[in-house]
Amino acid sequence: GDSVTQMEGPVTLSEEAFLTINCTYTATGYPSLFWYVQYPGEGLQLLLKATKADDKGSNKGFEATYRKETTSFHLEKGSVQVSDSAVYFCALILIQGAQKLVFGQGTRLTINP
Amino acid sequence: GAVVSQHPSRVICKSGTSVKIECRSLDFQATTMFWYRQFPKQSLMLMATSNEGSKATYEQGVEKDKFLINHASLTLSTLTVTSAHPEDSSFYICSARDSGQLSVNQPQHFGDGTRLSIL
Repeated sequence: GDSVTQMEGPVTLSEEAFLTINCTYTATGYPSLFWYVQYPGEGLQLLLKATKADDKGSNKGFEATYRKETTSFHLEKGSVQVSDSAVYFCALILIQGAQKLVFGQGTRLTINP
Repeated sequence: GAVVSQHPSRVICKSGTSVKIECRSLDFQATTMFWYRQFPKQSLMLMATSNEGSKATYEQGVEKDKFLINHASLTLSTLTVTSAHPEDSSFYICSARDSGQLSVNQPQHFGDGTRLSIL
C-alpha cells in the first residue's frame, strides 16, 4: 500500500544549524507531496507542497524537492531558529482513488538557543 | 487563508458521557472533511471521511457506532464520541478540503484539534 517513511527523531540542533529531515514514499500512483508542521498543542499547518517531479516547494526558509527517481521529498532549511521547534510530518495524496492524505510518523525537532 | 475552526479545544468528562466535537470551515465550503486521531508522540490516524449530505466512510477498525459523524452542511461536520471511556482519550483533529478548488492536489486545512480526556 501507499506509505511515507520519515527520518526517526527526535532531532536536536543548535540555532543557525543546517536542517535536513528525510522523507521517502511508496505509492501505486503519482502522488502530490506535502510537509506539514505541528506546534505543541495545535493542529497541523501546511508548510509546503509539490505536485510533480522536480517541483520545489518552499516557505519560511524551508525547501523540499520532489525527486521521483529516488521517491523522496527531503525537507531542508539553511539556518534554523528556536521558533522552528515543532513536529514535522511528510505526507502524500494520490489523485486517483480516495484522495486521502497518508502521513509519515512525524519527526520532532528541537532547536536550542 | 482558509481557516478551519474546531471546538472545543479541550474536554474533560466522566466515563460514559457522550462528547460532540465540531469542525467548521470559516471562509470556504467543504464537501469533504476528515477526522483524525493522534496518540501522544505518534502520527495522525485517519478515522473517517465525512461527506456532506451522505454517510461517512470509516477506516478499517473504526467503530461506526462509537464515533458518529454528521456532515449536515457545507461548512460543518461533527464527531460524537458515544459513551466515552478512558481508552477514547486522545487528540482528535479535523481537516477540510476547499470544494471550490478544482484540483485534488490542493492541501487539506486542519483545525487546531480537540484534546479529549475521559476520567
